[in-house]
Amino acid sequence: TAGITQAPTSQILAAGRSMTLRCTQDMRHNAMYWYRQDLGLGLRLIHYSNTAGTTGKGEVPDGYSVSRANTDDFPLTLASAVPSQTSVYFCASSDSAGGEEQFFGPGTRLTVL
Amino acid sequence: GQNIDQPTEMTATEGAIVQINCTYQTSGFNGLFWYQQHAGEAPTFLSYNVLDGLEEKGRFSSFLSRSKGYSYLLLKELQMKDSASYLCAVLDSNYQLIWGAGTKLIIKP
Repeated sequence: TAGITQAPTSQILAAGRSMTLRCTQDMRHNAMYWYRQDLGLGLRLIHYSNTAGTTGKGEVPDGYSVSRANTDDFPLTLASAVPSQTSVYFCASSDSAGGEEQFFGPGTRLTVL
Repeated sequence: GQNIDQPTEMTATEGAIVQINCTYQTSGFNGLFWYQQHAGEAPTFLSYNVLDGLEEKGRFSSFLSRSKGYSYLLLKELQMKDSASYLCAVLDSNYQLIWGAGTKLIIKP
């Protein structure tokens, strides 16, 4: 079982360009999440989805958008990247939205120049 | 505001015991998680506490006191592979996880 996969593993992006980070899970989990992790800071929630067809904003949603067309996929799009979006991005999923262990993908290391 | 505090770094000796503390102030409380994260890897689940007391799982134990806004992770019989960051996270009233910055644990032979 693959669990959660993310693509790409790493990317260097020019400021102003758009990019979509991909996330796919095969556990049939209802809830999915996007976090960013920066040195010295805790994981910060960008967007989440409690079930297919619904999304919500987390702590740091500005500059990012998501969609949840089906259970398995939860892509994160940067419409016009800025250097402050340089970070490691983790996708995670859980069986439900409350009190469940979250399973994390391997992460995408993004550098915006 | 919401706040999770844990020490930035700790050092311990192989075979010893170490306690990593976490204090929190959050809008509501629906449980506390501990995750382990090796350098360059994803976080992995260690424990979940929602009621006061000690939860033991092999070499790892986690304690919670809701009245004090306090938890600790206890690691026994330390092994070199335990060198990692340990992340404390609280599930708030909106069922969103609020994460601490993590404690980097260095194990010395």
